[in-house]
Formats: sequence, structure tokens, C-alpha cells
Amino acid sequence: EVQLVESGGGLVQPGGSLRLSCAASGFTFTNNWMTWVRQAPGKGLEWVANIKQDGSDKYYVDSVKGRFTISRDHAKNSLYLEMNSLRVEDTAVYYCARIPGSDSYFDYWGQGTLVTVSS
Amino acid sequence: DIQMTQSPSTLSASVGDRVIITCRASQSINSWLAWYQQKPGKAPKVLIYQASSLESGVPSRFSGSGSGTEFTLTISGLQPDDFATYYCQQYNSYPVTFGGGTKVEIK
Repeated sequence: EVQLVESGGGLVQPGGSLRLSCAASGFTFTNNWMTWVRQAPGKGLEWVANIKQDGSDKYYVDSVKGRFTISRDHAKNSLYLEMNSLRVEDTAVYYCARIPGSDSYFDYWGQGTLVTVSS
Repeated sequence: DIQMTQSPSTLSASVGDRVIITCRASQSINSWLAWYQQKPGKAPKVLIYQASSLESGVPSRFSGSGSGTEFTLTISGLQPDDFATYYCQQYNSYPVTFGGGTKVEIK
């Protein structure tokens, strides 16, 4: 059974940093692109970043470029999102998800972790 | 960036109704479109990918159609479990973008 479990969310002040983790199990982690998607309270879904199987290609939404870094550790079957210079507008539930094959839709999602940026 | 526009934003329907949700892309995305269902406090669940392919395990009352810039999600015979918010997503090009969502409410 495919499982994705996020952790690392919490309350942080504007300008602060946070690192999210996503532990993957139930599939061969090295075979799949992975993604982060976020959802601000009461709002819709926003794609954040994708990373290729070997980490050689990464894509970001413009609003996080230069501030967020997506990465993965195959030894730990884990996906990460390093978030720096956090803004109030980054407040959201952050989901990690798996990308099947070479398509960029998302077939398995974690339960999400809440990041609150507030003073 | 490709803008995805869903309509309606809210839809009131009864059990057994046929429901149609529309998604328009600001430029052609071929058939690179997915539909998701999301219930409050839960992660989204994929229903349809590549515009019309039904994800494994998803009931056959859900169907998708369209290509280019116009797409529809149809629920044939709305069930109590289907009251939720639905999102379309294009994956033709980066940045990946979602529609604003359609909330299906009980009439």
C-alpha cells in the first residue's frame, strides 16, 4: 500500500525557515517524480514544486523560486521541502504527492502538514 | 502561465442527479488534464487523468471528456458520498495549475 506521511509543519515567524519531510513507503521511491502542493486555509490547490527521480530536474512555481528548495533522499525514502524567507502568504497545508510514470498528475497524496507563518 | 477556469464555482444538486462541471484552459493543453475530488480536511483524490481516463478504483459514474481548451467532468447519478469540492488540473506545461474548484452541495 502506497503511503506518504508529511511532517515538519508548525508556527514560524515571517522571515523564518522550516523544513518539511515526506516519508514514502509501499512503492519504489526511486521510480517516481514527486511533488509538493499547498492549500491556503479555505482556498484552492496550488502546485509548489516537482522533482525528477534522480533529483536532476526541479521545477517551482514563481512565488517560491529562490526561497524554497525541493530535494529527496533515496536512502531514507524521503522527500523534503526547505522553506526560507517565509511570508504570511505561505501559510497553508502542504501535501506531498506521487507522480505516476512520466505524467504530471498526482495519484497518491499524503495527509498534509500545516505551516502557519505569523508574528 | 496557463489559467484554468472552472464553472460553476458552486453547484446544488440532489442524489441521483446528473452533474456536469466545466473546466476551460487559457490555451491548448491537449489532453493533459486531471480531475480531483476533495472532502473537508482530507487530501485530494484523483478521479480522471489524461482528460478521460478513469483512475483505478474510481466508480464508473465519473467520466471526463474534452481536449484542447474545453473539458467536462460528469457525475452520472450523484451519490451521497459525492458531495465534495472538485478541481481540474493541467499538466501540459509548467507551472502546473489548478482550477479554482467547484463545490457540489446538497440541494
